[in-house]
Amino acid sequence: KNQVEQSPQSLIILEGKNCTLQCNYTVSPFSNLRWYKQDTGRGPVSLTIMTFSENTKSNGRYTATLDADTKQSSLHITASQLSDSASYICVVSASGKSTFGDGTTLTVKP
Amino acid sequence: DTEVTQTPKHLVMGMTNKKSLKCEQHMGHRAMYWYKQKAKKPPELMFVYSYEKLSINESVPSRFSPECPNSSLLNLHLHALQPEDSALYLCASSQPGKTGKSGYTFGSGTRLTVV
Repeated sequence: KNQVEQSPQSLIILEGKNCTLQCNYTVSPFSNLRWYKQDTGRGPVSLTIMTFSENTKSNGRYTATLDADTKQSSLHITASQLSDSASYICVVSASGKSTFGDGTTLTVKP
Repeated sequence: DTEVTQTPKHLVMGMTNKKSLKCEQHMGHRAMYWYKQKAKKPPELMFVYSYEKLSINESVPSRFSPECPNSSLLNLHLHALQPEDSALYLCASSQPGKTGKSGYTFGSGTRLTVV
């Protein structure tokens, strides 16, 4: 069964600090992995998309890594801002179907 | 601003009402999706349209009826809903197929409350 597990479930950090979110998956055959940011009550917004051959992808202060051998991905946020408070969802696709993780809720405090 | 537009943003309806959610995209995507999202949960797939044809129905109750009038529009017709159907309804679009660069573009969602 295809599964995507994210950790931690929730995280609180101080403004300006860095953090790393994890995503482990068992989806096969792998097509791509996406990280989304979702503000409360809004639709998810794409941060990064990575295919099998890509190890890292950056989008501003967001950097995603992918290890296709261990089936793990991480999303690193640098110099966090209050506006980074949101849910971060990892989505893994295989054969045209996508499996969503439960997300990590990040709270950035001043 | 999102390139997938959903209307209305908020909707309150009674259990005997008939209403419709609308979704529009002009990115040339040929796959469109409806998702349902409850609080603190990931989105759950409801329907997929590929080239204007329904390709996936995830065993959704018949009180939800999707419609894809053309490649840019996707509707979700609602009738006789239950309070537990209250949720955020998300529309998304993408290019169909297995291309590794494809990804969803989500709309901002419709917050539905059934009373």
